Amino acid sequence: QKEVEQNSGPLSVPEGAIASLNCTYSDRGSQSFFWYRQYSGKSPELIMFIYSNGDKEDGRFTAQLNKASQYVSLLIRDSQPSDSATYLCAVKSNYQLIWGAGTKLIIKP
Amino acid sequence: DAGITQSPRYKITETGRQVTLMCHQTWSHSYMFWYRQDLGHGLRLIYYSAAADITDKGEVPDGYVVSRSKTENFPLTLESATRSQTSVYFCASSESTNFQGADEQYFGPGTRLTVT
Repeated sequence: QKEVEQNSGPLSVPEGAIASLNCTYSDRGSQSFFWYRQYSGKSPELIMFIYSNGDKEDGRFTAQLNKASQYVSLLIRDSQPSDSATYLCAVKSNYQLIWGAGTKLIIKP
Repeated sequence: DAGITQSPRYKITETGRQVTLMCHQTWSHSYMFWYRQDLGHGLRLIYYSAAADITDKGEVPDGYVVSRSKTENFPLTLESATRSQTSVYFCASSESTNFQGADEQYFGPGTRLTVT
């Protein structure tokens, strides 16, 4: 059974600080990794994807991948109240996406 | 520029009834997916389709039927609804699932289904 694990939270972070969200996966053959954001009552939307080990930056967001440790993370710099949402990690395995249950992030003004 | 739409947005039905959830996309994406989302479980794949007339089971297909006669439509039918099928259902589409591709999945707004 291929699994993607996330801490359910909630993770509470002060406004302006760095939020760090983590995800581990079980399938060593996974090649593509995705972070989606989901606001309450809304559908998921893609924030970033990453294929290669290391960091990938896009504005205030940085995705980090360590395939040896089977670990992927998302850093949000200068956190804003509008970043409050559930963040879903998804891992591509055999042409399908395997989803974590999500981490609820709360940014406190 | 509708993108991907789902109907109905909310549905209440009784145990044993047949229910069909509709999904329509305007991008001509090859791949379409049906997920259910329950607290603590994240998104679970029910069925997916690689093209018209090609469908395959996902993680939790029991009790569900799909069809795809046209590229743009991918209806999901609950043949005899059960309380355990109370959930939020999301339809998604993707240009491809090429092994090396980004495969961003675009989601519809969801259907909240309650089975009483």
